[in-house]
Amino acid sequence: SAVISQKPSRDICQRGTSLTIQCQVDSQVTMMFWYRQQPGQSLTLIATANQGSEATYESGFVIDKFPISRPNLTFSTLTVSNMSPEDSSIYLCSVRHSSYEQYFGPGTRLTVT
Amino acid sequence: AQKVTQAQTEISVVEKEDVTLDCVYETRDTTYYLFWYKQPPSGELVFLIRRNSFDEQNEISGRYSWNFQKSTSSFNFTITASQVVDSAVYFCALSDGYNFNKFYFGSGTKLNVKP
Repeated sequence: SAVISQKPSRDICQRGTSLTIQCQVDSQVTMMFWYRQQPGQSLTLIATANQGSEATYESGFVIDKFPISRPNLTFSTLTVSNMSPEDSSIYLCSVRHSSYEQYFGPGTRLTVT
Repeated sequence: AQKVTQAQTEISVVEKEDVTLDCVYETRDTTYYLFWYKQPPSGELVFLIRRNSFDEQNEISGRYSWNFQKSTSSFNFTITASQVVDSAVYFCALSDGYNFNKFYFGSGTKLNVKP
């Protein structure tokens, strides 16, 4: 399995600002994923991030709102831009294991006021 | 289209009771993977099990067991002799048969184990 860390673990932000979430993995991985979990809800995939290429976004998510960087094989960032209270969620990054399961980071709890 | 249904929103049991969490999935793919994850109050998702579509053998790991039945498109999870530490939200997930990177999660079942 992989050890994944995320920063920050939680934050309270004001409407209209942006927050960048970092995800660090202890081993090199080809693909990293970003999920959103709204309060009391299930996980929804935001985008898939490959190193060296543009992220692939799922329906309902756009690059202007959730820009992603993937500068190397162990690191990725997700920015939540121009935040509104509806963006209050847990944001999780994950990596795919060679045996198909995904391992998740501890999540970033975002509250937008 | 891929879909995972966890009809039980919340279950409460008393410690030492057995409990089964239901998971029903929909897919047109012949090759796919099913997963169970545990999300304790701390929020981190913990991987529990992976099962591929060609392996219908049931699996047991300590107090945990899984029953995979393709005929009913179900992948149920049973905890035997539940403990307070089992209290968490449990998610069933299905991976896309063409793009195994894409996971479809069920809505989750919150399990409360009372002492």
